[in-house]
Amino acid sequence: QQPVQSPQAVILREGEDAVINCSSSKALYSVHWYRQKHGEAPVFLMILLKGGEQKGHEKISASFNEKKQQSSLYLTASQLSYSGTYFCGTEHGKLIFGQGTELSVKP
Amino acid sequence: DTGVSQDPRHKITKRGQNVTFRCDPISEHNRLYWYRQTLGQGPEFLTYFQNEAQLEKSRLLSDRFSAERPKGSFSTLEIQRTEQGDSAMYLCASSLFSGRAEAFFGQGTRLTVV
Repeated sequence: QQPVQSPQAVILREGEDAVINCSSSKALYSVHWYRQKHGEAPVFLMILLKGGEQKGHEKISASFNEKKQQSSLYLTASQLSYSGTYFCGTEHGKLIFGQGTELSVKP
Repeated sequence: DTGVSQDPRHKITKRGQNVTFRCDPISEHNRLYWYRQTLGQGPEFLTYFQNEAQLEKSRLLSDRFSAERPKGSFSTLEIQRTEQGDSAMYLCASSLFSGRAEAFFGQGTRLTVV
């Protein structure tokens, strides 16, 4: 029932791009993306809704394939501040999260 | 609005003691979640409320854990007879119930059971 994220970890150089994937075994009504820095609470990035609506961070993009029950988060021209652990959350009444993808951006 | 607040931020307790944590959600939010997070893991769902009604409790959660949300405002999470395995960060989040709204997290309560 917990969404599955891939990859588990990514190391980038500043300016490089990354894609983080999230898949669910259940039909998705919405997908949430959050970023958590060490010692801090998760911070909302984006929500993607069934039907194509999106709300969130201007500099981050994501896709939502309802048929495949998958979502992807696209981080382009990465900055040092993008480092952290990214979680996808799927909503079936309750909101549950994947195990996370740790992203490290190096200078 | 000051966001979601949790109290205390840190709690150290001896094994076998009871502890209670408090969460104050964003005032207009009627949905409230409790999660547990250990190092390197995602937030693990514990329970959630719609106003004062507890809609679901994780099947993985032992009977030592209980949560309340009286009058649909703040919420408390109690752990009875704490065990070392209960050591974790306990996160609270709130959202507007719409199925289309983001959740906002509090800073969490870090529990250490010694």
